[in-house]
Amino acid sequence: DMKVTQMPRYLIKRMGENVLLECGQDMSHETMYWYRQDPGLGLQLIYISYDVDSNSEGDIPKGYRVSRKKREHFSLILDSAKTNQTSVYFCASTNTGQLYFGEGSKLTVL
Amino acid sequence: QQKVQQSPESLIVPEGAMTSLNCTFSDSASQYFAWYRQHSGKAPKALMSIFSNGEKEEGRFTIHLNKASLHFSLHIRDSQPSDSALYLCAVDRGTGANTGKLTFGHGTILRVHP
Repeated sequence: DMKVTQMPRYLIKRMGENVLLECGQDMSHETMYWYRQDPGLGLQLIYISYDVDSNSEGDIPKGYRVSRKKREHFSLILDSAKTNQTSVYFCASTNTGQLYFGEGSKLTVL
Repeated sequence: QQKVQQSPESLIVPEGAMTSLNCTFSDSASQYFAWYRQHSGKAPKALMSIFSNGEKEEGRFTIHLNKASLHFSLHIRDSQPSDSALYLCAVDRGTGANTGKLTFGHGTILRVHP
């Protein structure tokens, strides 16, 4: 079954706390992504990973870092979250160009 | 840097109508063009993609690409209420190197009323 799974789905944090968003895929895709989606702004690329320990910044990497130690798992880390990082975060993976997205993680930073 | 713009921002059509959504891009070297659909509160899902000039039809959906005019479009024949969603177009970065990075438009909100 082709699936991208994100955890947690909903998260509330206070400003300054650390945040860990996790993503797994069962398709052995080499390339994985983290996007954020804000109303009226579409999907903005935070980071792309081409394989284990092969990560590249996207368009808005500031305030985020990523970790990929296994091909099927890609994490997004926010060290000291800020209120403007309140958003819905989507993970995606691909081998062919077509992206498969997870259901999203809604993060609220108070 | 690749710029992708969609029009209109939102659209309301009656059930059974033809719907046309537009996307323009800025880099003529782009090679991959796609449409994604996102129902409210759900994940975006790929609808269709195209690599070369022309048209491609899959069921009620047709994608049309004109690289010279930096434009591609999605046409939905016999629109259904279940087609109500946010439609996102996506284009590769067009640098000639396959970076895997896509630029998404801001989306068109489609509502099909019965």
